[in-house]
Amino acid sequence: DTGVSQDPRHKITKRGQNVTFRCDPISEHNRLYWYRQTLGQGPEFLTYFQNEAQLEKSRLLSDRFSAERPKGSFSTLEIQRTEQGDSAMYLCASSPEDRETQYFGPGTRLLVL
Amino acid sequence: GESVGLHLPTLSVQEGDNSIINCAYSNSASDYFIWYKQESGKGPQFIIDIRSNMDKRQGQRVTVLLNKTVKHLSLQIAATQPGDSAVYFCAENNGSARQLTFGSGTQLTVLP
Repeated sequence: DTGVSQDPRHKITKRGQNVTFRCDPISEHNRLYWYRQTLGQGPEFLTYFQNEAQLEKSRLLSDRFSAERPKGSFSTLEIQRTEQGDSAMYLCASSPEDRETQYFGPGTRLLVL
Repeated sequence: GESVGLHLPTLSVQEGDNSIINCAYSNSASDYFIWYKQESGKGPQFIIDIRSNMDKRQGQRVTVLLNKTVKHLSLQIAATQPGDSAVYFCAENNGSARQLTFGSGTQLTVLP
């Protein structure tokens, strides 16, 4: 399977704990995106990388959230001191440099108790 | 603020009929539009896209129509099948930013 992959698929944590999610984009896609989706809503943009550079960040990305893409391949999204309001599906997408089409992974569903 | 939205939250169609899902957008600077299908528990799946210099684009069983005058986008699915049951999202990109702005989605249910 050469699509976008995300790990883990599900995560249950207690309020106040830190969590980290991983995204592996489609091979050779140099653009990588993170979105958050709550039940019944469309995905909301969080941040965007071109290669290893983080070029855009949404106001939704509070200081408890940090994303990295150190080698321009996989990316991690960390949430520190999780809150119940962080419960959502976290989606990763990638796109090639010459196209705007974003291809999404299966998502990581986070539940904060 | 400017946003992408959908006219109807739910749509039920008979198997074999054609489906039309509508979407309104308000950002006149948007130059790229895309439709996604999302099944329960899965990530959005690309269906078809269209740039603002076009008004129609066809794929396999799907057609996207863009009316820039009234800022309206539609997705037509021909001969709807049970496997088409899902939530459909339209999204826009205004070109200068890489982020997609999504609407809230339409739940399509195909009746036997």
